[in-house]
Amino acid sequence: EVQLLESGGNLVQPGGSLRLSCAASGFSFGSYAMTWVRQAPGKGLEWVSAISGSGTSTYYAASVKGRFTISRDNSKNTLYLQMNSLRAEDTAVYYCAKSPTIAVAGVTDFWGQGTLVTVSS
Amino acid sequence: DIQLTQSPSFLSASVGDRLTITCRASQGISSYLAWYQQKPGKAPKPLIYAASTLQSGVPSRFSGSGSGTEFTLTISSLQPEDFATYYCQQLNSYPFTFGPGTKVDVK
Repeated sequence: EVQLLESGGNLVQPGGSLRLSCAASGFSFGSYAMTWVRQAPGKGLEWVSAISGSGTSTYYAASVKGRFTISRDNSKNTLYLQMNSLRAEDTAVYYCAKSPTIAVAGVTDFWGQGTLVTVSS
Repeated sequence: DIQLTQSPSFLSASVGDRLTITCRASQGISSYLAWYQQKPGKAPKPLIYAASTLQSGVPSRFSGSGSGTEFTLTISSLQPEDFATYYCQQLNSYPFTFGPGTKVDVK
């Protein structure tokens, strides 16, 4: 059974940093691209970042480029999102999602339950 | 970036109704479109990809169609568990933007 478990969400001050993790199980993690999507309270979905199965290709939304870094450790079956220089507008539930392809192609077929990041003083 | 619009934004319906939600792209995206269902407090659930291909386990009352700039999600006979918000997402080019959503509630 595919499982994705996000963790690391917390209350952080503006300008601060946070690292989110997404622990995967039930599938061959390194064979699939992974994606982070966020949802601000009461708002719609925003695609944030994606990484290929090998980790060699990464993509970012303009709103986070230069501040967030996506990475993965295929030996630990874990996806990460390092978030620096956090702003109030980064407040959201962050979801990790699995793709059915090794290359980043946008499509996803399974999502975790999300972790809440709150940026506030 | 490719922008997506959805219509309507809100839809009141009854069990058994046939529903159609439209998603329009700001430029042609071939068939690179996905649909998701989200219930309050839950993660989005993938429904359809490649405009018309159902994800595994999705009931056949859901269907998708379209190509280019106009796409539709149809629910042939609305069931109680289908009251939710539906999002489209373009998969043509990154950033893989989402539409603003269509909320389906009880009439």
